[in-house]
Order: sequence, then C-alpha cells, then structure tokens
Amino acid sequence: NAGVTQTPKFQVLKTGQSMTLQCAQDMNHEYMSWYRQDPGMGLRLIHYSVGAGITDQGEVPNGYNVSRSTTEDFPLRLLSAAPSQTSVYFCASSADRGNTGELFFGEGSRLTVL
Amino acid sequence: GDSVTQMEGPVTLSEEAFLTINCTYTATGYPSLFWYVQYPGEGLQLLLKATKADDKGSNKGFEATYRKETTSFHLEKGSVQVSDSAVYFCALSPRGSQGNLIFGKGTKLSVKP
Repeated sequence: NAGVTQTPKFQVLKTGQSMTLQCAQDMNHEYMSWYRQDPGMGLRLIHYSVGAGITDQGEVPNGYNVSRSTTEDFPLRLLSAAPSQTSVYFCASSADRGNTGELFFGEGSRLTVL
Repeated sequence: GDSVTQMEGPVTLSEEAFLTINCTYTATGYPSLFWYVQYPGEGLQLLLKATKADDKGSNKGFEATYRKETTSFHLEKGSVQVSDSAVYFCALSPRGSQGNLIFGKGTKLSVKP
C-alpha cells in the first residue's frame, strides 16, 4: 500500500550542483505533478504530466526539468541548484484527469541549497 | 488569474471549541473546491471537496459549502480535538483543468487540551 513515494526525504546541495528528486506511484494514475511549498506561500505547481510522454509547465517551472517515460515515475531535475530553490517538494498523482479528482501526495522532499 | 485567499493563522483553540477557517476564491467559470490537511511531517491529504455550487463537502466532522454568490468555501467544525492540530489548505481546480490545483497559503490550527 505504498501510494506515492518520494526520495530522498532530505538533501543538502551546494549552489550549482545538480540532482534529481524521484517520485513513483503504484496506483496506475495517469496524472502526476510536482509542487513546491514555501513558508507563507502555500503550494505552487512546478510541472505536471497527464500521461507517459506528456509534460507541461506549471506556475513556477524555471530551473526545473521533468520527463515521464513510464506511468509510474515522474522525476524532477534541478540542473544547477540555486538558494531560491530551497523548499519542500511534493509529488502528487490523481486517477482523474478532470478538475474534480483527489490528489494523492507523497511525504515530501526537503531540499536545502547552500 | 484564478486565486484563493484564506484567513491567516495561526489559529489556537481549546478542545471542543467551534472552528471556522475562511476561504474565498477568484475564478472564471465554475471551479471545483477542496480542503486539504497537512499533519506535521506529512504530505497533504484530501479532507473534503465540492464540485458545484451549493454542494456541501463533509468528512470527519468538518464541513464546507460551495457558495457561488459569495465565492466562498469556509471550513467549519463544531467541536475540535487535539488531533485536529494541522495546517489546512483551501484549493481550487479551475474548470477545464487537467487536475492542477491552486492553493491558498494555509492556516495552521493548534488545539489545546
């Protein structure tokens, strides 16, 4: 009963380093997305995907890349980390491709960029 | 663009007190409305939702009614418990959206015994 699994849970990077946040879901959901959560800002959408091979930008996509080669996995890549990318990142998935469905969230990945 | 405004926190209540967390929205058309809850150290989970005007969502003693005339979706609970301490997020999904949510900033609730 894994649901949405994110790794790593914690990561510290230096400015300019690259890394990938992993997200996997075992519910066969077509829709997946990445959000970042910052104090006093709520959650903001970074990128999303409505199926394998299809991705699109959200509200704050700059500095992040995504790909969706399988239904299960949706990794988020930081190519050159910046202190402004210090945040908690949440991956979410949904079985519903419309606007009425429930999003299932992972437990989050806390990233600090020095 | 579409947006969600919810009351600033933190909110501190005694156990068994009445809870209201205000949420208003701006959107074109008829969005779906949601309340998500985040317990310490965890991801968000759906608390309740309403997908059309006048719908009432309810779960675990919490309720919210989709009011189109006032563009509101206020969260209420008649008697809070210590276990309700969490951060509550109001969110909308625009009509025609493929599942993307627009969140309010969150309201932290602390319930004291």
